[in-house]
Amino acid sequence: DAKTTQPTSMDCAEGRAANLPCNHSTISGNEYVYWYRQIHSQGPQYIIHGLKNNETNEMASLIITEDRKSSTLILPHATLRDTAVYYCIVKYGNKLVFGAGTILRVKS
Amino acid sequence: GAVVSQHPSWVICKSGTSVKIECRSLDFQATTMFWYRQFPKQSLMLMATSNEGSKATYEQGVEKDKFLINHASLTLSTLTVTSAHPEDSSFYICSAEEGQFFRSYEQYFGPGTRLTVT
Repeated sequence: DAKTTQPTSMDCAEGRAANLPCNHSTISGNEYVYWYRQIHSQGPQYIIHGLKNNETNEMASLIITEDRKSSTLILPHATLRDTAVYYCIVKYGNKLVFGAGTILRVKS
Repeated sequence: GAVVSQHPSWVICKSGTSVKIECRSLDFQATTMFWYRQFPKQSLMLMATSNEGSKATYEQGVEKDKFLINHASLTLSTLTVTSAHPEDSSFYICSAEEGQFFRSYEQYFGPGTRLTVT
């Protein structure tokens, strides 16, 4: 499985953009990058996914480098409710293998 | 987005008894469902993958006789923890895969079930 590396934690000011990096240097050509988040004691919530092009939806933007070895999830205007653990996952077949993720703390 | 429910949301049982957890996809058909376990302050660990109408595939180290999985329909999968012990106390989460032809599949997660074995 392609592994991912994320910072353990990050802080972000409310109303500012939150940029969460992820390294996935061993990703294969047909493997997608997925982002999920988990708020305390809840199931993970799907955010976004991509293959090689940048993607945007109502929640976030996903920027994938041209060599696909890293990506960045961008929450354009972080709110207190965005405080959660964010998981960057390279999907292996149909399996999602969760790493430790990044604890994002949005502060007022 | 697609909705996945779990029942019950929490359960307390005595050691040696069995507990059944249900996972339902409410507004889509899920060919594949997944079961995860999460201990406090840890990440999710995949336990098994179940496909409708066939036997589940268990991850290495997960006892299939202890964690019985049944995927009887395209909207329902159940996980039964047999002869539960305190070390089985955990947060159990299911997910369901909504597949569309020529698209990458998205997995949607249930809210989780907190199991406490006394």
